[in-house]
Amino acid sequence: DGGITQSPKYLFRKEGQNVTLSCEQNLNHDAMYWYRQDPGQGLRLIYYSQIVNDFQKGDIAEGYSVSREKKESFPLTVTSAQKNPTAFYLCASSNPPGQYYNSPLHFGNGTRLTVT
Amino acid sequence: DAKTTQPTSMDCAEGRAANLPCNHSTISGNEYVYWYRQIHSQGPQYIIHGLKNNETNEMASLIITEDRKSSTLILPHATLRDTAVYYCIVNLSSNTGKLIFGQGTTLQVKP
Repeated sequence: DGGITQSPKYLFRKEGQNVTLSCEQNLNHDAMYWYRQDPGQGLRLIYYSQIVNDFQKGDIAEGYSVSREKKESFPLTVTSAQKNPTAFYLCASSNPPGQYYNSPLHFGNGTRLTVT
Repeated sequence: DAKTTQPTSMDCAEGRAANLPCNHSTISGNEYVYWYRQIHSQGPQYIIHGLKNNETNEMASLIITEDRKSSTLILPHATLRDTAVYYCIVNLSSNTGKLIFGQGTTLQVKP
């Protein structure tokens, strides 16, 4: 079945270390997104990419970096500059607006990152 | 993007219809209403969306008032597996992905 795979489900790191979260999709979607969710809160957009080799900052991009070298993959690196990295990270994909009108988001099941 | 207001929590008896309200009084003419839900520790799941007309799919129905200032998501026969946080979002279709997820409504379906 088509879908979005995020790995690992749980990740533990020491403070000061960079960590990369994986996101792979086989839905043939052009657009991909990274969200962060804190306990009891809604989702906040970190970065998004509408097409390969292009990406834009979302609302909370500081301390994060991304790459989009392949259509299927959109890894997120949480750098040591991110002050509060412990959170639930969600990756999503969609067909881009304008091409497929009102294409909904498809989400992965998230990676829970704990930094101590 | 318009802001939405939803009740923090609701209960529903298993097998009964769950009606989840959402107010979006500042919605603009070209903004759509989207509904997603999130089961604990999983990614959000798209349910349904609409602009003006009522919509129905295999999961739910969406009723939008004529003035578009509010809407109701209806789960016709709620099951225990429908227990989740339900998010109502209004958004321009051109902003897919830049959705603003608030705190949503926690729906508890009880036996």
